[in-house]
Amino acid sequence: SQQGEEDPQALSIQEGENATMNCSYKTSINNLQWYRQNSGRGLVHLILIRSNEREKHSGRLRVTLDTSKKSSSLLITASRAADTASYFCATDNSGGYQKVTFGTGTKLQVIP
Amino acid sequence: GAVVSQHPSRVICKSGTSVKIECRSLDFQATTMFWYRQFPKQSLMLMATSNEGSKATYEQGVEKDKFLINHASLTLSTLTVTSAHPEDSSFYICSARVAGRPTDTQYFGPGTRLTVL
Repeated sequence: SQQGEEDPQALSIQEGENATMNCSYKTSINNLQWYRQNSGRGLVHLILIRSNEREKHSGRLRVTLDTSKKSSSLLITASRAADTASYFCATDNSGGYQKVTFGTGTKLQVIP
Repeated sequence: GAVVSQHPSRVICKSGTSVKIECRSLDFQATTMFWYRQFPKQSLMLMATSNEGSKATYEQGVEKDKFLINHASLTLSTLTVTSAHPEDSSFYICSARVAGRPTDTQYFGPGTRLTVL
């Protein structure tokens, strides 16, 4: 079953613009991670934010986490054509049986 | 950095045959490995969790007799799709957790694309 839902499902922007993707989840978590997947390829880990953190930066990426709302956002600033990919959030639950479950994903297209 | 490999990267087989996919941690020991399946344009669905030396734990709705998982060592887990059918065609991805590190350290393989004719 899916833990998270992402919004929007698809996003198309011009190169240089910022892209924001949102993720909502259902259960308590230890951490939340964002991954990128180019079409038909494996996953690339982007960033991890722990449940006691509210914001994290990595290069052009900014991730926020609101555990009270069970939501997270990924902001990609100054987007590039190479950022075109699907982006997934994944949550590591805080139950006794730890596992990572993925959200539904956002397909981002950056138009040069 | 920690590297996880999968073999083969692509496989095409006839309906009714069995296919084995290997997942290896190349430069670290993995206490736990996970197997995911991804249908086209969809997200990754966790199939099962395997710990070295013990039986795999399957997610609800995943047939354990159809998807056989063996985690024989700390560096190798295999997924065998038995009596494959066209609806088993999918992208299979494994991931591995590193022994001795925080449980949030997980590394993904590049995936195996299975096509059943």
